Amino acid sequence: KNQVEQSPQSLIILEGKNCTLQCNYTVSPFSNLRWYKQDTGRGPVSLTIMTFSENTKSNGRYTATLDADTKQSSLHITASQLSDSASYICVVGGRGGGSYIPTFGRGTSLIVHP
Amino acid sequence: ETGVTQTPRHLVMGMTNKKSLKCEQHLGHNAMYWYKQSAKKPLELMFVYSLEERVENNSVPSRFSPECPNSSHLFLHLHTLQPEDSALYLCASSQEAGGPAEAFFGQGTRLTVV
Repeated sequence: KNQVEQSPQSLIILEGKNCTLQCNYTVSPFSNLRWYKQDTGRGPVSLTIMTFSENTKSNGRYTATLDADTKQSSLHITASQLSDSASYICVVGGRGGGSYIPTFGRGTSLIVHP
Repeated sequence: ETGVTQTPRHLVMGMTNKKSLKCEQHLGHNAMYWYKQSAKKPLELMFVYSLEERVENNSVPSRFSPECPNSSHLFLHLHTLQPEDSALYLCASSQEAGGPAEAFFGQGTRLTVV
């Protein structure tokens, strides 16, 4: 069964600090992995997309890594800001019967305090 | 803004009511999706439309009825809902349904069934 596990479930950090969120998956066959940011009460917004051959991708202060061998990904946030407070969702895309099937993690809730 | 617009943003309805959620995208995408997001659960894919044809229906109860009159508009018709159907309903679109292209989400409709 395809699964995506994220950790920690929630995280509180001080403004200006760095943090790393984890995503482990068992999706097979693997197509790509995405990280989304979802502000409370709003739709998710894509941060990064990585395919099998990519092991790192940055978007401003966000850097995602992918280890396709161990089926792990991380999202590193540098110099956190109050606006980074949100839920971060890991989505792993697989292929089944020719169709693209995304599997969503439960998300990590990040709170940045001043 | 992501280019995907959902209305209404909030909806409260009784179990005997009939209502519809609307989604509109002007990104030129060929695929549109409905997702359900309940508290503390991962996003659940409900329906997928590709070029106005339904290509996926993830065992969703018949009290949810989607409609895609053209590639820019997607509706979710609701009738005789249950309190457990209260959730954030998200619409998304992507270039094609069968590929891993980035999905753009709307802001969602917060539905409360009383």
